[in-house]
Amino acid sequence: EVQLVESGGGLVQPGASLKLSCVASGFTFSDYWMSWVRQTPGKTMEWIGDIKYDGSYTNYAPSLKNRFTISRDNAKSTLYLQMSNVRSEDTATYYCTRWGLGALDYWGQGVMVTVSS
Amino acid sequence: DIQMTQSPSSLPASLGERVTISCRASQGISNNLNWYQQKPDGTIKPLIYYTSNLQSGVPSRFSGSGSGTDYSLTISSLEPEDFAMYYCQQDASFPRTFGGGTKLELK
Repeated sequence: EVQLVESGGGLVQPGASLKLSCVASGFTFSDYWMSWVRQTPGKTMEWIGDIKYDGSYTNYAPSLKNRFTISRDNAKSTLYLQMSNVRSEDTATYYCTRWGLGALDYWGQGVMVTVSS
Repeated sequence: DIQMTQSPSSLPASLGERVTISCRASQGISNNLNWYQQKPDGTIKPLIYYTSNLQSGVPSRFSGSGSGTDYSLTISSLEPEDFAMYYCQQDASFPRTFGGGTKLELK
């Protein structure tokens, strides 16, 4: 069974950094592109970025690329999202997702990040 | 960026009813359109990829259609588990973008 389990969220102050993790199981992690997507409290969905199966290529939403970095460790079947200089508008639930059949075919349960002083 | 506009944002419906959710792109997306369902507990699952292809395990009462800038998701006969949020998402160009969502509610 495919599972994606995010962790690392919580309450963080504006301007701080935070690193989210996503442990994958039930499939060969190194065979798949992965992505992060977030959902605001108002339920708006926003794609953050993708990473190629071997980690050699990443692509980001232009509005986030200067502050967010996606990486992966295939030996640990783990996807990461490094967030820096966080702002109140980064408050959201962050989902780890897998690219399968032409779409995001598996999603984690999500991890909440709240940016507030 | 390609803007995705979903309508309606809220859709009250009854069990057994046929419903359609629309998704309009700000420019042509060549059928690169996916649909997702989000349950009240936050669980998200894919429904349809590339306009009309059902993901594995998705019931046949779900169908997708469209071309150019206009796409739709149809549920032929609503079951209790279908009351949820639905999102469209385009894959034609970066950044990937989502529609604003449609909340399918029990009337």
